[in-house]
Amino acid sequence: TAGITQAPTSQILAAGRSMTLRCTQDMRHNAMYWYRQDLGLGLRLIHYSNTAGTTGKGEVPDGYSVSRANTDDFPLTLASAVPSQTSVYFCASSVEAGGRGEQFFGPGTRLTVL
Amino acid sequence: AQSVAQPEDQVNVAEGNPLTVKCTYSVSGNPYLFWYVQYPNRGLQFLLKYITGDNLVKGSYGFEAEFNKSQTSFHLKKPSALVSDSALYFCAVRPQNTGFQKLVFGTGTRLLVSP
Repeated sequence: TAGITQAPTSQILAAGRSMTLRCTQDMRHNAMYWYRQDLGLGLRLIHYSNTAGTTGKGEVPDGYSVSRANTDDFPLTLASAVPSQTSVYFCASSVEAGGRGEQFFGPGTRLTVL
Repeated sequence: AQSVAQPEDQVNVAEGNPLTVKCTYSVSGNPYLFWYVQYPNRGLQFLLKYITGDNLVKGSYGFEAEFNKSQTSFHLKKPSALVSDSALYFCAVRPQNTGFQKLVFGTGTRLLVSP
């Protein structure tokens, strides 16, 4: 099985432009997450979704929005990109939110905002 | 709020020697603890987790970790390192509370195993 797929693999984006990072999982997991990974800061949670139709804010939600129209897809949108959003973005999923289950991660999207 | 500390940015070990990657945590109540590994240009892969019970947890690729409640530590260990173990390792913690609790990651430790 594919697990979690993310697109695009990488992107260079002009400041002020909008962009949607795509994430799809085929494991029928209820919970999904978006993280950003920055050198020296580890992974920080941007937004999460406990189940289809619900979303919540993580640690660093400003400048990002998400939607969860169905179980499989969890896109992340940058409405007006800024250079500080240059990062590697990872989508993840787990059987349920919180709890004892581990999270499964996608391969990441490397975004550069100029 | 929960937190994780990985005090070493990098750990160097020779192939065949034992390795330890350190992790300490802070959480209200009992923790769920996780170790993940990240290879270059890849996503994180789950290695092992502590939920409850036996303090010594065994995981993938010969790794194990020991939960020490009194020292609030969850160090990752392997008896004999391989060059292919070279990667970035993350410790993560979540409290055993009801409702959504985010998983908090450490800043990562780079493991370099030399031939």
